[in-house]
Amino acid sequence: QVQLVESGGGLVKPGGSLRLSCAASGFTFSDYYMTWIRQAPGKGLEWVSYISNSGTNIYYADSVKGRFTISRDNAKNSLYLQMNSLRADDTAVYYCVRDGGGYYLDYWGQGTLVTVSS
Amino acid sequence: SYEVTQPPSVSVSPGQTAIITCSGNKLRQQSACWYQQKPGQSPVLVIYQNDKRPSGIPERFSGSNSANIASLTISGTQATDEAVYYCQAWDTRTAKLFGGGTSTAGIFGGGTKLTVL
Repeated sequence: QVQLVESGGGLVKPGGSLRLSCAASGFTFSDYYMTWIRQAPGKGLEWVSYISNSGTNIYYADSVKGRFTISRDNAKNSLYLQMNSLRADDTAVYYCVRDGGGYYLDYWGQGTLVTVSS
Repeated sequence: SYEVTQPPSVSVSPGQTAIITCSGNKLRQQSACWYQQKPGQSPVLVIYQNDKRPSGIPERFSGSNSANIASLTISGTQATDEAVYYCQAWDTRTAKLFGGGTSTAGIFGGGTKLTVL
């Protein structure tokens, strides 16, 4: 079955960096667009970044553009999110999510919490 | 920027029908989808491409989209349906990509808390 397992979250100071990873299994990873969605505590969902199956098409929300970098390694069935210059408003649970092929998100990981605080 | 709007809350009695709406001025030309999120859990896709149900989602969940309003209908609502529901549409904009061109990304409504009284 499809599994997405995030790791790499934690507590970081403002201005610091973190790298999130997502290990995918149970499907042909290289066939699917992948997405990072985040949810601040008690808030709604925000589309952060996506990457096409080949890695050539990439999108960033305005709120993270220039600070976050999405990447993938299809040989390792892994998705990454490099987060630099972190701010307090980046505090959220970050979900690794598969795009089902028609702008809908059909499988979600359990999420990893990123807390930006001094 | 493009936005889609949901009511913050909807209440329904057990066994009755709950309808949650999502409005956006481009919805008529798009497909919408819906996610259910229970406390402490990841969201779950319940409706995609306006009216399709993923496997494992009960038949009491249905969707529609017309006149710039997408709707999620839960028939015979059960206590286990109490959750926050998010609609999601998509927005195409011109952006710098590796090869130039447009990018399309999802946008979420603010979520609707469904309470089963």
